[in-house]
This record gives sequence, structure tokens and C-alpha cells, in this order.
Amino acid sequence: GIQVEQSPPDLILQEGANSTLRCNFSDSVNNLQWFHQNPWGQLINLFYIPSGTKQNGRLSATTVATERYSLLYISSSQTTDSGVYFCAVFSGTYKYIFGTGTRLKVLA
Amino acid sequence: DVKVTQSSRYLVKRTGEKVFLECVQDMDHENMFWYRQDPGLGLRLIYFSYDVKMKEKGDIPEGYSVSREKKERFSLILESASTNQTSMYLCASSKQGVEQYFGPGTRLTVT
Repeated sequence: GIQVEQSPPDLILQEGANSTLRCNFSDSVNNLQWFHQNPWGQLINLFYIPSGTKQNGRLSATTVATERYSLLYISSSQTTDSGVYFCAVFSGTYKYIFGTGTRLKVLA
Repeated sequence: DVKVTQSSRYLVKRTGEKVFLECVQDMDHENMFWYRQDPGLGLRLIYFSYDVKMKEKGDIPEGYSVSREKKERFSLILESASTNQTSMYLCASSKQGVEQYFGPGTRLTVT
């Protein structure tokens, strides 16, 4: 089955810094999502991005489907950005395959 | 806005009890999912349903069953709870092949 790898596994930033999170996948996918899991455990949808680039405020994402990776950019990070970031891919069956996540901590 | 709700945020049950976790979505999605999340293991799919009364096993179905009698509601059942089922349980829904939306999660402790 499809493998999804995220890097880095852990990231510590000072408030105001920028960061790039990466998601690699091993085969062609029909779509890709980025989520932020907040400290209470809920997964919040950030981007639905099977290809191309999208922006939402300080966050943006790019998926290069032909090269099997996606990037999530966080600019001017804030303490509220802390949490775990997951990417998930949908391969054409009913299942979504999740990466193991990047744990981000933003220090004040 | 899509809304997925789960019946409890926190639940404490005793070993051997029958446990019901309920999930309701309000966007007429065909697909619904139950995951569990444990430290170091990420999200693992327990069961999913692609239509009313239809269900498919995910990666870790042992010890669980599900019920989908109405399109908007998907229930996860622990027939006889055990301590190794202590976990965070996450419900999600989607239209086929597009965005998946999650509920707030239920932290279940089995003592």
C-alpha cells in the first residue's frame, strides 16, 4: 500500500519564525489533505490540495503530485500554531492514509 | 459548515462493559470512519462505512463492531471493553474521495 512519510518528526520554533513541513508519498494519489491537531485532540482541516498551491493567511501549501510530495509553509509562527500536523492521502479506495505527523512547538 | 459531533469528549468505563460511541454528521456524507489514535502509532482505521447498513473493516477491527442504521449516524461498539482499548477515538465523514472532516474526539479510559 501507499506509504506516507512526514518530516521533520519534531520542530521547535521561536514565535515569529517560518517553517516548512514536508509530506512524501510513495505512489500516485487522488487527493491530499493537511490537518492540524490542536491540544484538545481535534483535527482541523487546513488544506485540501491534490495539486498546485493554496494559501490561507499565514499558511500555504504546495503539492507536486508528479514528484509525490507536498509542503506546508507556516510563516510568522504563533504559539497557537503548536500541535501536530498531519498529511493524509486518498488513493482511490475508501481509505485515507495518514502520515505519522510533525509535532510543532512554538515558543513565546 | 460541515459539522461532525461525537457523543462524549471523555468517557471512563470498566473492563467488560459494553461501550457505545456515537458519531453524527450533518452534511449528507456517504462515507463515515472510526479511527483510534495512540501515542507513537498515529491514526489507525478501525471501521468505515460507505452507505447505510454497509461497513468495511479497517486495519484494526478486532474487538470492535459498528452500526450505521441512518446515513448521518455511525456508532462504534466495544462489545467487552478491555484496558488495551484505552485510547482517543476519532470519527470522520466525507463525500467519496474528497475532504474528510473530523469530530472532536472521545478520550476513552477503560479501568
